[in-house]
Amino acid sequence: EPEVTQTPSHQVTQMGQEVILRCVPISNHLYFYWYRQILGQKVEFLVSFYNNEISEKSEIFDDQFSVERPDGSNFTLKIRSTKLEDSAMYFCASREYGYTFGSGTRLTVV
Amino acid sequence: AQKVTQAQTEISVVEKEDVTLDCVYETRDTTYYLFWYKQPPSGELVFLIRRNSFDEQNEISGRYSWNFQKSTSSFNFTITASQVVDSAVYFCALSPPRETSGSRLTFGEGTQLTVNP
Repeated sequence: EPEVTQTPSHQVTQMGQEVILRCVPISNHLYFYWYRQILGQKVEFLVSFYNNEISEKSEIFDDQFSVERPDGSNFTLKIRSTKLEDSAMYFCASREYGYTFGSGTRLTVV
Repeated sequence: AQKVTQAQTEISVVEKEDVTLDCVYETRDTTYYLFWYKQPPSGELVFLIRRNSFDEQNEISGRYSWNFQKSTSSFNFTITASQVVDSAVYFCALSPPRETSGSRLTFGEGTQLTVNP
């Protein structure tokens, strides 16, 4: 069964550093998403991406965040200057009829 | 705006008991999709079901069943004869129609289900 692949599974970074979270969506899906889940809390929408541009973003997705589809397969989330409160599980998803989530990247900012 | 409410924060049952997880939603859309996801301790989100708002038939899949009641805006999930492996956080989620640009999923707060042997 096709799956969404996320790398790395766990990343530790120092506050103020830039991180790039990577995702390979399912190849024939057209919509891509990033969600965030702070430990013990609900899953929150960050951004959706369609046709090589952002189609919707939440209030969480401020100027420190950016997304890119640098080639035909990867979909990345960049956090420019990480803060302690960015520590969370970040899920990538792609969609055709249903949403398929990757297994997540646990980001720890120290 | 869309909203999903899962009023039960935690539920604890003994193995083989039946358990129902409640989900109530709010949306202004006339068509929408409802979902249930399971999040085991390992952290991934496991898709369980998608329901179109046009389809109010209840669904059964093995020990799992879902009751969709549009009149009360509820989409409840029942596990029959629960097992220890069912222990997880369960999320209910809502999305607008597929044609809507973006079509973000809105999640509820989740219900932590613990099944004790």
